[in-house]
Amino acid sequence: QKEVEQNSGPLSVPEGAIASLNCTYSDRGSQSFFWYRQYSGKSPELIMFIYSNGDKEDGRFTAQLNKASQYVSLLIRDSQPSDSATYLCAVNKGRETSGSRLTFGEGTQLTVNP
Amino acid sequence: DGGITQSPKYLFRKEGQNVTLSCEQNLNHDAMYWYRQDPGQGLRLIYYSQIVNDFQKGDIAEGYSVSREKKESFPLTVTSAQKNPTAFYLCASRATSGSFYEQFFGPGTRLTVL
Repeated sequence: QKEVEQNSGPLSVPEGAIASLNCTYSDRGSQSFFWYRQYSGKSPELIMFIYSNGDKEDGRFTAQLNKASQYVSLLIRDSQPSDSATYLCAVNKGRETSGSRLTFGEGTQLTVNP
Repeated sequence: DGGITQSPKYLFRKEGQNVTLSCEQNLNHDAMYWYRQDPGQGLRLIYYSQIVNDFQKGDIAEGYSVSREKKESFPLTVTSAQKNPTAFYLCASRATSGSFYEQFFGPGTRLTVL
């Protein structure tokens, strides 16, 4: 079992729709969770992080965490063509919350069609 | 401008050669990281360093070596023992004071073995 698994892509949504990206993790003791966006040929950039169960909203992005189910998701509302990228889920190893050592999923490629 | 620089952007290596990838940061971050990314894959941790003159192996350290003689520099050497080194290499850094600070990534070095 992989430590961090993401829903297989690619994912294609029309402009203006909601894109839903999912991630599960195997270490029940993990405390902090991150979503990075990576454009083709570029380095990742952090877009959201979440520690607590529930939802966390930032503009058009909402991260959802359910530690009992070991599940974290990212919703992108009103998707734009500029959101087309690979989204990487990352989980901090162990019980640290500081983001000191991350395990990444393989990523989900999102395409938003005009 | 503060940030992370990696050089070169592209690197070609003949089989049997050692090559060194440069990573420099002027963000005054204590922690630095090296990741490897293969096509369609997430990031895998090679080595990381939380403080000068100290570093730890990540998940795929075999065939790689690092040094951390200065706070701002964390070079990675890809040795001839690394059998499949063609990949995109990403360096990251992170502050360690405080409760949480994200990992910032450099622009990456794309290494190709001829």
